[in-house]
Amino acid sequence: SQQGEEDPQALSIQEGENATMNCSYKTSINNLQWYRQNSGRGLVHLILIRSNEREKHSGRLRVTLDTSKKSSSLLITASRAADTASYFCATEISGTYKYIFGTGTRLKVLA
Amino acid sequence: DVKVTQSSRYLVKRTGEKVFLECVQDMDHENMFWYRQDPGLGLRLIYFSYDVKMKEKGDIPEGYSVSREKKERFSLILESASTNQTSMYLCASSPHRGPTYEQYFGPGTRLTVT
Repeated sequence: SQQGEEDPQALSIQEGENATMNCSYKTSINNLQWYRQNSGRGLVHLILIRSNEREKHSGRLRVTLDTSKKSSSLLITASRAADTASYFCATEISGTYKYIFGTGTRLKVLA
Repeated sequence: DVKVTQSSRYLVKRTGEKVFLECVQDMDHENMFWYRQDPGLGLRLIYFSYDVKMKEKGDIPEGYSVSREKKERFSLILESASTNQTSMYLCASSPHRGPTYEQYFGPGTRLTVT
């Protein structure tokens, strides 16, 4: 079964606005990662947050992690048309090398 | 730059054929993974390998097998292809442990079984 579930499934915003997507998971994790996938391509790693961290920044990306609620959020600030893609969270399950991906959020940024 | 390559971008096979999907990585990573991606279902793990000749089942191993004879190469085998195996197949690799645990993905193979 899917470990991660993202919401919303799809999001459409104007260029310059912020985009927020959320991820929930079910079991203990070592870390949580966010990936981007441009249409029909492989995934590209964006940012990783470890289970003992609460917030992390990278450029226009801000990730939060709440292990008590088993949830994470990805914020993209000042979005650009080039941010149009699908975004996936992935969790590394404690004690394994196994990653579980969510179902993804499709983001469309309108110019 | 880490590079993960997959043998084909597009593949069309007939029902019942044996299909081999090859994945090669050049970063000496211990872990390698095969996922399939279907609309609305995200990525689902088929098999992964954390060392040469080692393999672990993922969430949907039925109808698939894998082979890892060399560290850099991880093959996915569809023993007898069926139409419900039409999908995008993504290979990935990652180090056992490092500064980050990110996975590096190949470009994907879009397989159609007719």
